[in-house]
Amino acid sequence: KNQVEQSPQSLIILEGKNCTLQCNYTVSPFSNLRWYKQDTGRGPVSLTIMTFSENTKSNGRYTATLDADTKQSSLHITASQLSDSASYICVVSARSGNTPLVFGKGTRLSVIA
Amino acid sequence: NAGVTQTPKFQVLKTGQSMTLQCAQDMNHNSMYWYRQDPGMGLRLIYYSASEGTTDKGEVPNGYNVSRLNKREFSLRLESAAPSQTSVYFCASSEGSGTGRVGTFGSGTRLTVV
Repeated sequence: KNQVEQSPQSLIILEGKNCTLQCNYTVSPFSNLRWYKQDTGRGPVSLTIMTFSENTKSNGRYTATLDADTKQSSLHITASQLSDSASYICVVSARSGNTPLVFGKGTRLSVIA
Repeated sequence: NAGVTQTPKFQVLKTGQSMTLQCAQDMNHNSMYWYRQDPGMGLRLIYYSASEGTTDKGEVPNGYNVSRLNKREFSLRLESAAPSQTSVYFCASSEGSGTGRVGTFGSGTRLTVV
């Protein structure tokens, strides 16, 4: 069964600190993996997208890594800001174009002053 | 730069009432999607439209109908609302066809069925 598991479920960090969110997946055959940021009351916004051949991709203070062999991805946030408080969702796409995207349940990040 | 626009943002329905959620995109995308998001669960696909004139069921289509009115607009209808349909509904669109290509989401419609 295609699944995406994220950890931790929630995380609280101090402003300025770094953090890493994890994503494990069993989607096969793998096509790409995306990280989305979802602010409270808003729709998800894409941060990064990685294909099978990409190991790392950055978007400002956000850096995503992908290990397709172990089927793991991580999202590292550097020098966190209060505005980073949001849910971060890992989404995996199978190679078949009409297979629904598989969404993780998200990690709820709270950055406090 | 509107992107994907959903209306209404909030709605309360009584069990058995009907309503239509509206969605429009201004990015000339071919494909559009309707998802629901429930607490503790990932987004789940209700219906999608790979191109104008076509619609297909997703993972959780029961109790819903859709209409791809034109390339810009994709509506979701609840014919007889049930409390189990209380959720946040997101419309999304993408350039390519197929359910694996979602790119841009709307800001959501929070629906409560009492």
